[in-house]
Amino acid sequence: EPEVTQTPSHQVTQMGQEVILRCVPISNHLYFYWYRQILGQKVEFLVSFYNNEISEKSEIFDDQFSVERPDGSNFTLKIRSTKLEDSAMYFCASSEVYSGSYEQYFGPGTRLTVT
Amino acid sequence: RKEVEQDPGPFNVPEGATVAFNCTYSNSASQSFFWYRQDCRKEPKLLMSVYSSGNEDGRFTAQLNRASQYISLLIRDSKLSDSATYLCVVNIPKDSSYKLIFGSGTRLLVRP
Repeated sequence: EPEVTQTPSHQVTQMGQEVILRCVPISNHLYFYWYRQILGQKVEFLVSFYNNEISEKSEIFDDQFSVERPDGSNFTLKIRSTKLEDSAMYFCASSEVYSGSYEQYFGPGTRLTVT
Repeated sequence: RKEVEQDPGPFNVPEGATVAFNCTYSNSASQSFFWYRQDCRKEPKLLMSVYSSGNEDGRFTAQLNRASQYISLLIRDSKLSDSATYLCVVNIPKDSSYKLIFGSGTRLLVRP
């Protein structure tokens, strides 16, 4: 069964450093998303991406964040200057079509720890 | 009012029990509805989509009441492996975009 993969599984970084989280969506999916989940809290939408551009972003997704699809398979989330409050699980998701009726499938997540 | 509201639980039930979870959502324009399950420190995994006519998948039955903005999940014959957090999820349409809004989850513990 095809699945979304993410690397690394755990990233530890110092405050102020840049991090890049990587995702490989399911191969025939065209729509990509990033979500985050702070420990003990609910999953929160960050950004959606289609056709090499951002479709929607949340208030959390400020200028410190960027997304990119550098090649035909990877989808990345960059945090330019990490803050302590960026510590969370970051989940990548993909869906076949951009419609409310189609399910999104999640990767296993990257645990980001900012010290 | 929260966009998606769930009873956090935990629901502590014996194996074989039937358990029901409820969820309410605030945006009447929400188009699609899902139940995901999440194991501790793992990713959300799609359990089932929820349709207006109601739908069933084995031991799991989901119902949607658009008028009351209410979604339910029924689990029959609970197994130990059903222990997890169950996330009620809706999409909030904005222009032509689509994002998922998650509830905080209802924790289920199935005991032997």
